[in-house]
Amino acid sequence: GAVVSQHPSWVICKSGTSVKIECRSLDFQATTMFWYRQFPKQSLMLMATSNEGSKATYEQGVEKDKFLINHASLTLSTLTVTSAHPEDSSFYICSARDDWASGVSTDTQYFGPGTRLTVL
Amino acid sequence: TQLLEQSPQFLSIQEGENLTVYCNSSSVFSSLQWYRQEPGEGPVLLVTVVTGGEVKKLKRLTFQFGDARKDSSLHITAAQPGDTGLYLCAGVNHGGSQGNLIFGKGTKLSVKP
Repeated sequence: GAVVSQHPSWVICKSGTSVKIECRSLDFQATTMFWYRQFPKQSLMLMATSNEGSKATYEQGVEKDKFLINHASLTLSTLTVTSAHPEDSSFYICSARDDWASGVSTDTQYFGPGTRLTVL
Repeated sequence: TQLLEQSPQFLSIQEGENLTVYCNSSSVFSSLQWYRQEPGEGPVLLVTVVTGGEVKKLKRLTFQFGDARKDSSLHITAAQPGDTGLYLCAGVNHGGSQGNLIFGKGTKLSVKP
């Protein structure tokens, strides 16, 4: 089945530093990937849509200069949290849509296991 | 803005009991998905419902999509401790540029042995 990995699975950093999170589709190509944020006891909130070879599309209220997204290949998207602060501490989850999905809805997104970010 | 309301938010039951989780919206969705998420992990897709009135069964789980494609329900029969988790419904937003998902707030289910 389609597998999405994230690295790291957890990270602790000091306030003011930048953190990069990787999202990889392991056995399929994904032109489109999505980045979500989930605060404790809350649901997933879409942050941005990552498009291979073009700029990401950010949701309203998400600072594009703070959350840098790079989708340089068909299997890798990265999210960099720049100048992280404690309020950025959250569970970041990516998902990927299989470009060549057959037999399943083209709306199907495969989710990664998430990255727990803690900013001290 | 499309919103999905899930109820109840929390549910604690004994093993063997039945339960139903509801997902409601004032908006029409082209399809709706149900996920289950374990703590510290990403959500795992359980089912996608597409057609109004559609009913899908996955072992002890029964999913229904409302006729108007605005609401859905998840019914679990004879719940087991292994069913414990966060259940999320998500509507496919074809009004957006990428067909992204809009998630409900989730229902946290705890099944006690």
